Amino acid sequence: ETGVTQSPTHLIKTRGQQVTLRCSSQSGHNTVSWYQQALGQGPQFIFQYYREEENGRGNFPPRFSGLQFPNYSSELNVNALELDDSALYLCASSARDRRSGNTIYFGEGSWLTVV
Amino acid sequence: QKEVEQNSGPLSVPEGAIASLNCTYSDRGSQSFFWYRQYSGKSPELIMSIYSNGDKEDGRFTAQLNKASQYVSLLIRDSQPSDSATYLCAVKREDTGRRALTFGSGTRLQVQP
Repeated sequence: ETGVTQSPTHLIKTRGQQVTLRCSSQSGHNTVSWYQQALGQGPQFIFQYYREEENGRGNFPPRFSGLQFPNYSSELNVNALELDDSALYLCASSARDRRSGNTIYFGEGSWLTVV
Repeated sequence: QKEVEQNSGPLSVPEGAIASLNCTYSDRGSQSFFWYRQYSGKSPELIMSIYSNGDKEDGRFTAQLNKASQYVSLLIRDSQPSDSATYLCAVKREDTGRRALTFGSGTRLQVQP
């Protein structure tokens, strides 16, 4: 149990639609990252939020966007869904202080299928 | 060249044997190194982290780091069927504001009863 919760756990969308995935980070964690994991691959970094601002982005197009709220929870939005967006989307939280170290905790993920 | 490379496997070992998993990385600025275990259909679970050269032991797990060779390994002693999973190697820089993990594609481990 990592204290990171994601919703929904599974969803099916049609190509061209939009999707919003949600994440509640572990208590005290002010940094949230999102990763995409395609079948048979390692997770790929999408972007990171720190204190409600985007703080780094991987090689993903602008139709992938996000938000972080004052309580440090987060959303990942994907517009104009493509078949290749079908993947496990992982939220990871961490804290930026020496006391907490470098540990990054993952949620259980949201499985997205685009048909 | 991938930033983090792992042999995809499967690596098959008998129950009770030592499983050795290897990982190489290309970014010399990497400062933190992690091993995650991922069961089929589940999210990655952190099992080991290592930050300095040498060995770090935690129960049946030993992580080894050689920064000069850009090499990280994970040894699992007394392997159990429950260790059968995909093991993901991940690296991270700490000198930038972005604290993102870069993952390999994972090595699938099969422990035969």
